[in-house]
Amino acid sequence: ETGVTQTPRHLVMGMTNKKSLKCEQHLGHNAMYWYKQSAKKPLELMFVYSLEERVENNSVPSRFSPECPNSSHLFLHLHTLQPEDSALYLCASSHLAGTVDSPLHFGNGTRLTVT
Amino acid sequence: GQQVMQIPQYQHVQEGEDFTTYCNSSTTLSNIQWYKQRPGGHPVFLIQLVKSGEVKKQKRLTFQFGEAKKNSSLHITATQTTDVGTYFCAGGAGKSTFGDGTTLTVKP
Repeated sequence: ETGVTQTPRHLVMGMTNKKSLKCEQHLGHNAMYWYKQSAKKPLELMFVYSLEERVENNSVPSRFSPECPNSSHLFLHLHTLQPEDSALYLCASSHLAGTVDSPLHFGNGTRLTVT
Repeated sequence: GQQVMQIPQYQHVQEGEDFTTYCNSSTTLSNIQWYKQRPGGHPVFLIQLVKSGEVKKQKRLTFQFGEAKKNSSLHITATQTTDVGTYFCAGGAGKSTFGDGTTLTVKP
């Protein structure tokens, strides 16, 4: 339906666990993004990949580790998270269009709860 | 760094009333985008404005981009219960910075 698929939809993990979030886009886009959405900061950009290269890392703690093996797939590896990391994690994709931003297409998100 | 401010944070209206949300940037924007997120959903792209002073309409929604390309507004005429959700603006060159959103609730 959205063209951007995220799994899992919900995740509960302890602070010592290691888990990964997965995102796949079927839109032929060449840029992919991770956003964090919480009550404190509605849409906070975490990482940007363009043509499979990381082009932006917005001071994100090292307990979040992104991976982009190809232009259609994006992962967010999680380890030793804190309760304050509980949030909705949204993946998005877009075309690259020079200095004019292309619209973002978001997935349904992964609701993460850290216990 | 670039900041995009959005007001109001919340707006409660009676069905049939109009609604407006405003977006202001500290710097000149190359473009502005608007998104809508329904409760429990994800942000969905509505429209993009690129030209100074541009006005675009989608049925009951009117979008404006300021002459100086530093502000924008979204106006909904005669709100309906289907309009509920959070409206985000996003602006930037090469990277979109989102405002904090305006959450609209509509009382039937």
